[in-house]
Amino acid sequence: QSALTQPASLSGSPGQSITISCNGSNREFDYNYISWSQHRPGKAPKVLIYDVTSRLSGVSHRFSGSKSGNTASLTISGLQSEDEADYYCSSFTSSGAHVVFGGGTKLTVL
Amino acid sequence: QVQLVESGGGVVQPGKSLRLSCAASGFTFRRYAMHWVRQAPGKGPEWLAVISYDGSKERYAASLGGRFSISRDNSRNTLSLQMNSLTKDDTAIYYCVKEGLDVVTIDVHYYFDYWGQGTLVTVPS
Repeated sequence: QSALTQPASLSGSPGQSITISCNGSNREFDYNYISWSQHRPGKAPKVLIYDVTSRLSGVSHRFSGSKSGNTASLTISGLQSEDEADYYCSSFTSSGAHVVFGGGTKLTVL
Repeated sequence: QVQLVESGGGVVQPGKSLRLSCAASGFTFRRYAMHWVRQAPGKGPEWLAVISYDGSKERYAASLGGRFSISRDNSRNTLSLQMNSLTKDDTAIYYCVKEGLDVVTIDVHYYFDYWGQGTLVTVPS
């Protein structure tokens, strides 16, 4: 059971926008240290978003992050086939576990 | 560009030990805390350990029960993970991951910015 909860799967067509949610507790969301990463088989995971909304250098502007209460979101606009991957949220936590991850969302581009 | 290259994975019998290494390049290694994260088949990533930029402080996931030890050699730009008493539940891809901010305390995790490609550790049942 992951500390952060994400939908297991989502799908969208090329050109559409999708939003992946990440739910946690105050132990994570009292801090603005929410990150999002993209994981593709056989490749090094790629960090997209940190500090809830900041894009890592070189990351496409099609990726954006937001937060409301204890829910963070990753929005991918203008879906492309190359966006098909697993996406994970992660955060510092004051629970003692230090860093926690979501269970991941498998994005399929139809 | 930042490169993190893990090595040392393989098949290891239950109860045995294994040492993983990570060769870092493309950044000033001695200025950044470094982490190990693993991902078991079909599961989300699991954070394992962090070591401060100067090697003076470490933190571990409680679930490891003291079996793993993280270390670094700033003169060789190398991060290591010593894993003891391995069980089938340790089967996973092990990643070396860089902290995003330099020269900061490891009492707080700010963000990761680079991951290696990982090395596979398999412990048969």
